[in-house]
Amino acid sequence: EVRLVESGGGLVQPGGPLTLSCTASGFTFSGYAMGWIRQAPGKGLEWVSAISGSGGSAFYADSVKGRFTISRVNSKDTLYMQMNSLRAEDTALYYCAKISSVSLLSSFYFDFWGRGTLVTVSS
Amino acid sequence: SYELTQPPSVSVSPGQTARITCSGDALPKKYAYWYQQKSGQAPVLVIYEDSKRPSGIPERFSASNSGTMATLTISGAQVEDEADYYCYSTGSSGNQRVFGGGTKLTVL
Repeated sequence: EVRLVESGGGLVQPGGPLTLSCTASGFTFSGYAMGWIRQAPGKGLEWVSAISGSGGSAFYADSVKGRFTISRVNSKDTLYMQMNSLRAEDTALYYCAKISSVSLLSSFYFDFWGRGTLVTVSS
Repeated sequence: SYELTQPPSVSVSPGQTARITCSGDALPKKYAYWYQQKSGQAPVLVIYEDSKRPSGIPERFSASNSGTMATLTISGAQVEDEADYYCYSTGSSGNQRVFGGGTKLTVL
């Protein structure tokens, strides 16, 4: 059974950093690309970032490009999102999700999601 | 930036057919995907590559993609189908991954 467990969320001041983690089990982690999606309170879903199975390629939404960095350690079955220069508008529930392919194909999609970790940016 | 447009809400009675639309300029060339999100839960994939159902998704869920509009159809909607539904696709520039604004389905 695929299982994704996010952690690392919390309250952070504007401009501050935070790193999210996602521990995977139930599948061969290195065989699949992974991604992050967020959902602001009471709002819809927003794709944030994705990384290939090898970690060699990554994509970012324009809203986080230059501030967020996605990475993975396949030996630990763990996905990360390093977030810098956080803003109030980054406040959201951050979901980790498994992508259906090892590479970031033209039409990649998310086939399993974790339960999310909440990030609140406020002074 | 690329956008996918969904109606904010759809309401049907139990047993009726619910249809949720998603419009986007790149849909003629890109696959559409659909996610179901029940209150307080993580999203679940219900349709991939325009019209395919993952294992475990009931047959009453179907979908199509024609022209600039994708449509999710729930035939004989049940109370447990009440949820927010999001379409997802790729913009024509390639690296844009976009979710629609979501449609709240009410079945009562």
